[in-house]
Amino acid sequence: EVQLLQSGGGLVQPGGSLRLSCTASGFTFANYAMSWVRQAPGKGLEWVSAISGSGDNTYYSDSVKGRLTISRDNSKNTVYLQMNSLRAEDTAVYYCAKRSYSQHSSGLDVFDDSWGQGTLVTVSS
Amino acid sequence: QSALTQPASVSGSPGQSITLSCTGTSSDVGSYNFVSWYQQHPDKAPKLIIYDVSKRPSGVSNRFSGSKSGNTASLTISGLQAEDEADYYCSSYTSSSVFGTGTKVTVL
Repeated sequence: EVQLLQSGGGLVQPGGSLRLSCTASGFTFANYAMSWVRQAPGKGLEWVSAISGSGDNTYYSDSVKGRLTISRDNSKNTVYLQMNSLRAEDTAVYYCAKRSYSQHSSGLDVFDDSWGQGTLVTVSS
Repeated sequence: QSALTQPASVSGSPGQSITLSCTGTSSDVGSYNFVSWYQQHPDKAPKLIIYDVSKRPSGVSNRFSGSKSGNTASLTISGLQAEDEADYYCSSYTSSSVFGTGTKVTVL
């Protein structure tokens, strides 16, 4: 059974930093890309970042590029989200997710087939 | 990429069928069969219920079905049950992922 256990999160002042962790079990971690998705209070889902299985390739939404950094340690089955220069608008529940792919002649469909429990990040003075 | 457009709310009575729409553009939903759907109960993590427009992951009820026409994808829930009351999000993948605005399903 796939399990994604998140830790980190909490209250941080504007301009501050925080690191989220997500530890995986139940699958061969290094074979799968991972992503982070966030949800502001009362709002919808927003894709934030993704990282390839090897960690060589990273991807970010424009809203977080340059401030949030995704990384992974395959020896620890853990993916991280380092959050710097935090703003009030970064306040959200952050979910990690395991990415899966479906191959088509026209390309790859990418979707998140397992999710962590979520962790709340509050940016406020 | 801009968020995909979904109706804010859809409701139905137990046993009925309802259809949720997800409208994108010719650059995302209309280009490829790369649409997925997620169900989210209050204060819970999202759950994948449809991928590749119409495929169901193992364990997902066959009461959920997906389709697409042009720039609009649809999720149909047949035999509506109380446990289906939740938020539903579509998503499309091109070079990155984009989610829909979300639809709240209410079972009357």
